[in-house]
Amino acid sequence: DVKVTQSSRYLVKRTGEKVFLECVQDMDHENMFWYRQDPGLGLRLIYFSYDVKMKEKGDIPEGYSVSREKKERFSLILESASTNQTSMYLCASSPMSRGGNEQFFGPGTRLTVL
Amino acid sequence: RKEVEQDPGPFNVPEGATVAFNCTYSNSASQSFFWYRQDCRKEPKLLMSVYSSGNEDGRFTAQLNRASQYISLLIRDSKLSDSATYLCVVNDMRFGAGTRLTVKP
Repeated sequence: DVKVTQSSRYLVKRTGEKVFLECVQDMDHENMFWYRQDPGLGLRLIYFSYDVKMKEKGDIPEGYSVSREKKERFSLILESASTNQTSMYLCASSPMSRGGNEQFFGPGTRLTVL
Repeated sequence: RKEVEQDPGPFNVPEGATVAFNCTYSNSASQSFFWYRQDCRKEPKLLMSVYSSGNEDGRFTAQLNRASQYISLLIRDSKLSDSATYLCVVNDMRFGAGTRLTVKP
């Protein structure tokens, strides 16, 4: 079974702190994604990566950065956390293959910024 | 205009009912389409892919209408366990906001 793990289920940080969210997948998937999910807005794509050291901006990259130094690990960084970044953060991975790709999600990290 | 739009519901239906959800997309060049299911406080999981010819999996039928740029999901003979939020996905990574379904006894 594909397993995607995220470093924390719940996290509480203060405004202005630098926050690291870690995601690890064990199925050798090429693609990895970070989303945030808010009520009424669904999942919004923050960043994604098709390969090691490669990153692409999604729909809402402002205030975030990412790092992919190893194929299995994709980190989301909040450089200076703000209260409007309080959200559920979901990481996903998928294989690189022709046609549509199923995404496998981690359990999510609920981040609260005070 | 959002790239993917869904009716948020909620849909409240009795057991055994048939219910249908639609999802519209704005990019006419979109190539891949999916329905995911998300249970309360859980991560989304793939329910089914949507093929051009339509596809069926048990009580679930998914259809694609390229001319009108929408996909649909039909659930027949609803079960209590079908209660969840259903998310449509376009081009692998563009999600709709989700439609909440509650099936009641």
